[in-house]
Formats: sequence, structure tokens, C-alpha cells
Amino acid sequence: QTVVTQEPSLTVSPGGTVTLTCASSTGAVTSGYYPNWFQQKPGQAPRALIYSTSNKHSWTPARFSGSLLGGKAALTLSGVQPEDEAEYYCLLYYGGAQPWVFGGGTKLTVL
Amino acid sequence: QVQLVQSGAEVKKPGSSVKVSCKASGGTFSSYAISWVRQAPGQGLEWMGRIIPILGIANYAQKFQGRVTITADKSTSTAYMELSSLRSEDTAVYYCARDGDYEYWGQGTLVTVSS
Repeated sequence: QTVVTQEPSLTVSPGGTVTLTCASSTGAVTSGYYPNWFQQKPGQAPRALIYSTSNKHSWTPARFSGSLLGGKAALTLSGVQPEDEAEYYCLLYYGGAQPWVFGGGTKLTVL
Repeated sequence: QVQLVQSGAEVKKPGSSVKVSCKASGGTFSSYAISWVRQAPGQGLEWMGRIIPILGIANYAQKFQGRVTITADKSTSTAYMELSSLRSEDTAVYYCARDGDYEYWGQGTLVTVSS
């Protein structure tokens, strides 16, 4: 069974930079996994931030960026704001019978 | 602008089934797949499956194989997710979303399984 792994929690200071990663149990994550990133705040539905590795939605703040880093998908927040405190999930595409798998999520604390 | 509107909250008994709908407006319904994602209380997001309306083909996560059925009615631009043999662990918010870029999401449907 495919497992997608994210850091369970990270802490960053306001104005700082933090990188969240997303690894696959099948090996290196490439653009062919079409990594998606989502932000979720308590009581709210997930909100899409990044699709296909690095593409932003119209509402995605410029301080969020997606990339591939060391065989993983990565979400970097530069100049973190207090409102960025949230849970972040990645989603990878595997094709075949079970196309998509979510990571377990990273709880980002801004402190 | 695609909008996905889901059916309302449900309370079900263990062993029963639930069917949640997701009506799309805007865009061309058949041109994109609809995925279903759930989130149990205090837990992460879980991809359940998807339907490609134009092909009528559905894929399911291994965990839900045999218990979930996803269908689509092109005439009403509505996708459905039916989960059977419900147990308390199926208590969750169920979301539909446009597959691919996941730009558009339904508002979520709370399904509570309780005796």
C-alpha cells in the first residue's frame, strides 16, 4: 500500500521561511506525480494552494511556492504570516486503479 | 466558474448505506472527473475515489473497494457517492472536488453513523 509522508508538525516564526515536504513510499517524487498542496484551517474545507508541483491558483498568496526538492515535493512559505497557521496536506497522483493518495498532513504553527 | 453543491447532513445506523450527491454548475460537467474525499473528526484527508463522467469509469481507493460506489448523472450534472455497510468509523465530513487541480470543492456533507 502506497504511503505519502509529511512532517507531522513544524513551527516557524512570523516573517520566517519554512519548507514542508511530501515523500512517497514508492521512491522519488517527480512532476509526474502532479503534487497538489492544500491548506486547511479548523472548521473549514480544504483550500487548494498549488497544483502540478508549482502552479498557483488565482488566490494563492505569492509567499507560497511549490517545487521538487531532494526527491520530494515541497511547499515553501516565505515571509510567514500569522494567518498561515494551519494544517497543510499534499496529494500525489499514482495513476492506475487508485490514482490519488493524500499525505498525513503537517500542522504548521506560527510562533 | 465551477460550483459544487452537496446534499445535506445525514445520520445513519451501523450497517446501513448513505448516498451523498454533488451537483455541479458552471463549466462542462463531462469534461472533468469528480473525486470524493473524506475527513473523520480530528483526522486527515482521505481520498476515496473518483468518477470520470464522460467515460462512466470510476476508480476507488483500495481501502473502500467493495463498499463505495461512485456514479454520475450527466443529464443533471450530479455525481453521487454511496458508502455501504456503515460503521462508526465512517463518521466524517465527505467532500466532492474537481479532480486534477482540485480547484473547486463542495461545501462538505457530515455523515454521522450512530446507533
